[in-house]
Amino acid sequence: GEDVEQSLFLSVREGDSSVINCTYTDSSSTYLYWYKQEPGAGLQLLTYIFSNMDMKQDQRLTVLLNKKDKHLSLRIADTQTGDSAIYFCAESMRGGADGLTFGKGTHLIIQP
Amino acid sequence: GAVVSQHPSWVICKSGTSVKIECRSLDFQATTMFWYRQFPKQSLMLMATSNEGSKATYEQGVEKDKFLINHASLTLSTLTVTSAHPEDSSFYICSARDQAYEQYFGPGTRLTVT
Repeated sequence: GEDVEQSLFLSVREGDSSVINCTYTDSSSTYLYWYKQEPGAGLQLLTYIFSNMDMKQDQRLTVLLNKKDKHLSLRIADTQTGDSAIYFCAESMRGGADGLTFGKGTHLIIQP
Repeated sequence: GAVVSQHPSWVICKSGTSVKIECRSLDFQATTMFWYRQFPKQSLMLMATSNEGSKATYEQGVEKDKFLINHASLTLSTLTVTSAHPEDSSFYICSARDQAYEQYFGPGTRLTVT
């Protein structure tokens, strides 16, 4: 079945770049997402990438996709304390038409 | 952006009772909503797809008679956990899909069954 894997924790210093990694197993994944979850708040869509793209950049966020290795990463430049949250990688075959398959989430910890 | 609300945000109930959780899309119509379940330090697991005016589609292993889903309007879906047991204690999250097929997530409902 489908599986999405992430490491559970990442600790970075404020001002450094954060790189959160994700691997998935379903080769038919067409859409790959990054969501942010802050305490008491709903999941916030940060960005998504289609499987025919290698990279997508949006302000401080850069998403890299290696389809051959089924590896997705999210880079946050100049990490700030407000970036502290849990980041979920998710995949879907048909975009938002179907429910998404999520990883367990990576808790990003910012050190001052 | 689009907003999805859930009510209640936290509920405690006794074993054997039923609990209803509401999911509302506040500023858009959603013909399709999704219900997920999240255990501590675990990923969100899709439970079912809720379609307005028709029966919900349940994922494998999810008991449809235990988790009743009703999607009676374009802005409201409800999940009722019937005869709740402590193992049903979890964080339940809904999402609503807009016409552009974007999914927007609610803040979640924490259910504790004693």
